[in-house]
Amino acid sequence: DPKIIQKPKYLVAVTGSEKILICEQYLGHNAMYWYRQSAKKPLEFMFSYSYQKLMDNQTASSRFQPQSSKKNHLDLQITALKPDDSATYFCASSQSRTGDERLFFGHGTKLSVL
Amino acid sequence: QQKVQQSPESLTVSEGAMASLNCTFSDGTSNNFRWYRQHSAKGLEVLVSIFSDGEKEEGRFTAHLNRANLHVSLHIREPQPSDSAVYLCAVSNYNQGKLIFGQGTKLSIKP
Repeated sequence: DPKIIQKPKYLVAVTGSEKILICEQYLGHNAMYWYRQSAKKPLEFMFSYSYQKLMDNQTASSRFQPQSSKKNHLDLQITALKPDDSATYFCASSQSRTGDERLFFGHGTKLSVL
Repeated sequence: QQKVQQSPESLTVSEGAMASLNCTFSDGTSNNFRWYRQHSAKGLEVLVSIFSDGEKEEGRFTAHLNRANLHVSLHIREPQPSDSAVYLCAVSNYNQGKLIFGQGTKLSIKP
């Protein structure tokens, strides 16, 4: 029974379009994150949120915009999609943002940009 | 900028034999180390976390940390074919909540 739900599981988009990746967590956690895993690259940190506030942004492009409408939601809007954006995007959460808290990951959304 | 390197890239071990995976990191001030397992169908699962030099055991999984040598390892006792997966080393600093991952070791367990 997954406690971090990512939707959709698979997504195909055309270059230049916009997509929103959905993430909801039912662990009662206060911190949420987005990570990206591209082919042949390590999992890469993108954003962290704590109590619905952006705490850390390691994404150079403004085309990636996290959106937190509720404490347990952290969606990721990607605009002007490029083929290089093709990757699996993982949402994660932890009780707090301190480093000793375990991160729990969702199963990911696999995005393919044609 | 923290760099995390894992070795070997892939490893095949017979069922029941010990499996040992390595991870080196570049920033000796890091104090938070985790091993994750990534099954294609199950997503990412945390196996063991270690915060100080020495050993930490969680079931069949044991992590060894030596910060002076910038090295953390994972040993899997009595591995089963179901342990076949990609194993990821992750490093962070306290209060950052941001993990830096290695590229992974693909472990295959032969029956």
